[in-house]
Amino acid sequence: NAGVMQNPRHLVRRRGQEARLRCSPMKGHSHVYWYRQLPEEGLKFMVYLQKENIIDESGMPKERFSAEFPKEGPSILRIQQVVRGDSAAYFCASSPKVRASNEQFFGPGTRLTVL
Amino acid sequence: GENVEQHPSTLSVQEGDSAVIKCTYSDSASNYFPWYKQELGKGPQLIIDIRSNVGEKKDQRIAVTLNKTAKHFSLHITETQPEDSAVYFCAASGGNQFYFGTGTSLTVIP
Repeated sequence: NAGVMQNPRHLVRRRGQEARLRCSPMKGHSHVYWYRQLPEEGLKFMVYLQKENIIDESGMPKERFSAEFPKEGPSILRIQQVVRGDSAAYFCASSPKVRASNEQFFGPGTRLTVL
Repeated sequence: GENVEQHPSTLSVQEGDSAVIKCTYSDSASNYFPWYKQELGKGPQLIIDIRSNVGEKKDQRIAVTLNKTAKHFSLHITETQPEDSAVYFCAASGGNQFYFGTGTSLTVIP
């Protein structure tokens, strides 16, 4: 019974390159959330997706960032033209379905370093 | 939006003593309050949670209390052990998003 999986675990990019982060939710979970964590800070919500739908992207920067959760395959968080300020740990969480409050289970994260 | 504050930011206790971490929230619509433990280089792990229709919940050495009127909730760890050393985050949610506190770095001294 695998948990939430994220890859890569570590990603190094030069300024201006693209970063692609992948998240496979727990089996049976159809809801995915992306969070960003800066060093010694809490997690900040970025985006919430269901299969083929973006439900809430209020925490995601309007430019350079995009997310998708296709019918088949993992959820992808894409950061175009990365800058040094994008360096952070990016965590994905999944939950089985939405009710007023539902548990979220986190993956191990992708640590992005922008040189 | 919701604002979650967490105190203290660092906490050191002797092995066997108790540790208490406190959080406050601002949005009365929040109704779910999970606590996560994060070890170095790993993702947050859910350790206990409480919903707004409950005042207290306990799971072995870990307990959480919720005061809806005052809008605060606390994590209590009794008989602490060195393996409890980690960063602990509280969160509040009333819908899609979790709003996290800034974390408490707990060190249990053997």
